[in-house]
This record gives sequence, structure tokens and C-alpha cells, in this order.
Amino acid sequence: AQSVTQLGSHVSVSEGALVLLRCNYSSSVPPYLFWYVQYPNQGLQLLLKYTSAATLVKGINGFEAEFKKSETSFHLTKPSAHMSDAAEYFCAVSAGNKLTFGGGTRVLVKP
Amino acid sequence: DTEVTQTPKHLVMGMTNKKSLKCEQHMGHRAMYWYKQKAKKPPELMFVYSYEKLSINESVPSRFSPECPNSSLLNLHLHALQPEDSALYLCASSQDVMDIYTGELFFGEGSRLTVL
Repeated sequence: AQSVTQLGSHVSVSEGALVLLRCNYSSSVPPYLFWYVQYPNQGLQLLLKYTSAATLVKGINGFEAEFKKSETSFHLTKPSAHMSDAAEYFCAVSAGNKLTFGGGTRVLVKP
Repeated sequence: DTEVTQTPKHLVMGMTNKKSLKCEQHMGHRAMYWYKQKAKKPPELMFVYSYEKLSINESVPSRFSPECPNSSLLNLHLHALQPEDSALYLCASSQDVMDIYTGELFFGEGSRLTVL
């Protein structure tokens, strides 16, 4: 069985500040981990993925995430938030024949 | 611009109506998916088609009937729905069904369904 927990359903950051979104996973086999972003009234877009290569993964739009097996975590960060980063972010795990999403974290960026 | 096109973008239907959602991709992908997303919730997998054959049905009620007429098209036929079926229905595709491991799914913008 696999599951994903995202800590915090809402995060508010100031423009230019660090964005940190937390994700913890549970998987009985080595997982593949992903972050997706969903802008209002749109589908999901893959931001980045971990597939057992480098533990620090760089994605699009300046985001990166670090896989920490000892902490079963895959937190997403961006050094400096931009207004365009306001969106819903989903962490997901694939272990088996399913892609399981976390509950999502909505990011609000304040000017 | 998304390369997975879903129509209609919005649909309102009564509980006795029959309607269909359509999804089209021209990326040569051989796996296509339907997800259901309730407000403020993550997407939930409904169906997976691989090479035009249904490979996964996540115990979805029979009032939802998927159809894959060819490798580019995926339909979701709706009949006798309930108000609780109101949601955003997302279509996705991938090169191969094994890409679910790599997360390389391409999503459409969704069809927002309201059942009265």
C-alpha cells in the first residue's frame, strides 16, 4: 500500500520569500515521487519527479525537491516566490500500478 | 497550451439525462486515463485504458461508462448520475501505461460537471 500526506492545506508566503511545501510518503516498495501543480481551472502539470537517481531534483519554474529516505519525505522548495506561483500543489507517489495524490496544498502569494 | 483537449469545459445535467465527456490527444500516447476531482480534493483515478483496452476500473459505479473508440479518443458516458457526482473530470494520457511509474502524465483542463 502507498499513501502521501501533505502537511498544511494552505500556505501563505510573501512575494520573494521562500516557498516550502511538505510531503511525507508511505510505500512498501521503493517509490517514485512527484510534484504536480494545478493552476485555477486547469489540469495538472508535472513540476518534477524523483525516480531513484539524484536525491535533489530540480524542476520547472525554479522549484526543487529533496528525497530523504530516512525521513520518508519529499519536500518542495523555491527560494523566491513569484505571484505566478499561486496555485494548488499535489505531491504524488507511484508504487505499483497507481499514481496516488496527496490532499494538496494551496499556495497564496502576497505582494 | 495543453495537448490533451477535453470537451465540454462545463456541463450541467439532470439526473435522468444521458451525456458524454470527450477527450482527445494527438501525441501518439497509448495510455489514457479518467480522473475525478471533487472540490478541494486530490484527483482520484477512475479508469485506465492501455492500447485501447480497459486495464483498470477503480470500482466505479456503472452509471459511468468509458469508451475508447481509437488511440486518440477517450469518452466517458454519463447516465442517471447523482448530485454527488458533481466534480471536475480530468482526462490524462501517457506514452505508455508504464509511465504511471514515471509520472509523465499529461492532463487536460478538465470538464466541470454539475448534476442537478
